[in-house]
Amino acid sequence: GNSVTQMEGPVTLSEEAFLTINCTYTATGYPSLFWYVQYPGEGLQLLLKATKADDKGSNKGFEATYRKETTSFHLEKGSVQVSDSAVYFCALSGHDNFNKFYFGSGTKLNVKP
Amino acid sequence: DAGVTQSPTHLIKTRGQQVTLRCSPKSGHDTVSWYQQALGQGPQFIFQYYEEEERQRGNFPDRFSGHQFPNYSSELNVNALLLGDSALYLCASSLAWRGGEETQYFGPGTRLLVL
Repeated sequence: GNSVTQMEGPVTLSEEAFLTINCTYTATGYPSLFWYVQYPGEGLQLLLKATKADDKGSNKGFEATYRKETTSFHLEKGSVQVSDSAVYFCALSGHDNFNKFYFGSGTKLNVKP
Repeated sequence: DAGVTQSPTHLIKTRGQQVTLRCSPKSGHDTVSWYQQALGQGPQFIFQYYEEEERQRGNFPDRFSGHQFPNYSSELNVNALLLGDSALYLCASSLAWRGGEETQYFGPGTRLLVL
């Protein structure tokens, strides 16, 4: 079946530090992969996506590469800001069943000034 | 271009009651999916509606039901509320899946508290 595993948080970093949030997946077929971000009290916002192996998704300084050989989609940012503090969710789209989304449990990021 | 909207934003109910949550999809989208997000957890898929019919369903009891209207808006109904139904309920809209990747766009959610 389909599932997503994320590193547990919270992750606490100082401003301008390098960020990595690990995400691995199990899937049947060839899923698309996504990162969503959730700010306090809000819904989920799409951060980036990748639809096939070796694709790199990027947005607002965040990047993630779809690695089929390691079934991973790790989120990275070279220099985090206080405004990046939020919960980050890795997700996959199960193409075998009408685009149903499977989410990881989320990783909370705290960035200190 | 309006995004996904949901109402109400917050709701307090007591055990045994029934609740209806509403969602309007992003303009141009025809598919609505509902998710339950418990505190500190990732969203869990409840069901998906397309062409006014339930197309997919997650592991949720029949107390959870839904509807999609001709204008693509949708409702989520939960009967016989339990304390464990307290959660953030998220609506996501997308274009109908036709074999490719279809990004889901989420609304702000309805926070339900069952006392």
